[in-house]
Amino acid sequence: DSGVTQTPKHLITATGQRVTLRCSPRSGDLSVYWYQQSLDQGLQFLIHYYNGEERAKGNILERFSAQQFPDLHSELNLSSLELGDSALYFCASSVGWADTQYFGPGTRLTVL
Amino acid sequence: AQKVTQAQTEISVVEKEDVTLDCVYETRDTTYYLFWYKQPPSGELVFLIRRNSFDEQNEISGRYSWNFQKSTSSFNFTITASQVVDSAVYFCALSEIDYGQNFVFGPGTRLSVLP
Repeated sequence: DSGVTQTPKHLITATGQRVTLRCSPRSGDLSVYWYQQSLDQGLQFLIHYYNGEERAKGNILERFSAQQFPDLHSELNLSSLELGDSALYFCASSVGWADTQYFGPGTRLTVL
Repeated sequence: AQKVTQAQTEISVVEKEDVTLDCVYETRDTTYYLFWYKQPPSGELVFLIRRNSFDEQNEISGRYSWNFQKSTSSFNFTITASQVVDSAVYFCALSEIDYGQNFVFGPGTRLSVLP
C-alpha cells in the first residue's frame, strides 16, 4: 500500500460528459502529480502541483484541468470527454518535486 | 526537446539470467533527472530510482544496478539473477530542471522472466 488513494477505481461514462478524479496524497507529501496511461499514447505526464500551486504542465489538454486543495488532496477534471480519453489515470505524491514518488492504484476511465 | 527511447520493446529471459534494459535520452538541458519505474502485471506503478545529471556514479540496490553515462546519453538498468517477480514493464523517464520540469517517459520495455 503506497498510502496514495484514488477514487473512483473505475468510471464509465459517455462522450461529451464531465468527470472528476480524486487523489489523496501520502501524509506529509506536498507534491501531487497526474499521469495518463493509454495504449495509444503510453505513459504521459499531465500536471504537477506543489503545496497548492501548479508547478509543471505536461501534455494536458485544455479540456482537462486540475487543482490541489488546502488539505493537499487533488482533483483532475476532464470535460467534453472523447473516446480517446479512455485511459488509466494515475496520481502520485512525493515530498518535493522529483523526490521518490508513490503512486495510487489508478482510475480506469472508459468513455463510451 | 526532450525524448526518451527504449529500443527494446520486449525481452524474455530465463530465471537467474542477468538482463539489461536500455534507455537513451535527448535533452537540451544541462541539469535534469532520470528515472526508472516498474509496472508489474497487477498494474500499479512503482518508482525505482532517480538520478541527477550531475551524479554519474553507478548505483546498486540489491539485484538492481543502474549505469548512467552522460557521454552516450544513456541510463541503463541491469537486473542480476533475474526472478519471475521481476516480470513487468519498465519505464525510463526524464525531467528537465530548467525547461518546465515536465516528465517524459519512454515507451517501456516488457520483461518476461520465465521459470
